[in-house]
Amino acid sequence: DIQMTQSPSSLSASVGDRITITCRASQSIANCLNWYQQKPGKAPKVLIYATSSLQSDVPSRFSGSGSGTDFTLSIRSLQPEDFATYYCQESYTSGTFGQGTKLEIK
Amino acid sequence: QVQLQESGLGLVQPSQTLSLTCRVSGDSVNSADSHWSWIRQQPGKGLEWIGSVYRSGTTDYSPSLKSRVTISMEASQNVFYLKVSSVTAADTAVYRCARAPRYRAQSGFYVDIWGQGKLVTVSS
Repeated sequence: DIQMTQSPSSLSASVGDRITITCRASQSIANCLNWYQQKPGKAPKVLIYATSSLQSDVPSRFSGSGSGTDFTLSIRSLQPEDFATYYCQESYTSGTFGQGTKLEIK
Repeated sequence: QVQLQESGLGLVQPSQTLSLTCRVSGDSVNSADSHWSWIRQQPGKGLEWIGSVYRSGTTDYSPSLKSRVTISMEASQNVFYLKVSSVTAADTAVYRCARAPRYRAQSGFYVDIWGQGKLVTVSS
């Protein structure tokens, strides 16, 4: 089974900051890595798929990179609506999610 | 636009089988472009992939749930199903069905459309 580990588990930042969230796979998953944003009581929303492809209607301040086992999600110039929980997901084998990173306002 | 809607019982007794249906509108479960998936979220916890079905009937399940899960589809009704057997309180969660399009020109997929979710409580 592939394990997905995100870090940090939580993060405090201010509006305008740039942040990075890391996702590590327990084995190589090529570029089969997606990122989602979830707000309380809502379904998740895909931000990035296939490591670095920006989903339509997602602001360009979101970006993704990586390959193999190590991946990152970056958000530049945080906006108030970006404070949420973020999940990575591998789609190389099944669809395992990371445990999530909660982004809070400092 | 594409919409997915879960239905089924919201209360299941321990050791029984949880059964949910996802009705798809605006797309076809027979599409060559997408897997049709189930994902759950226990109260206050993260997302858990349950599994998916493809138009050929091919299924893929989370290794941790594989022994208890069955996902199937009925193309004529444009629905797909989830069954989880021998449930316990740990299976209490919001269950969401979802569309998972395949990446272009390579293996892999992502979820782009989600149902609103169905809270299923396991309790006697």
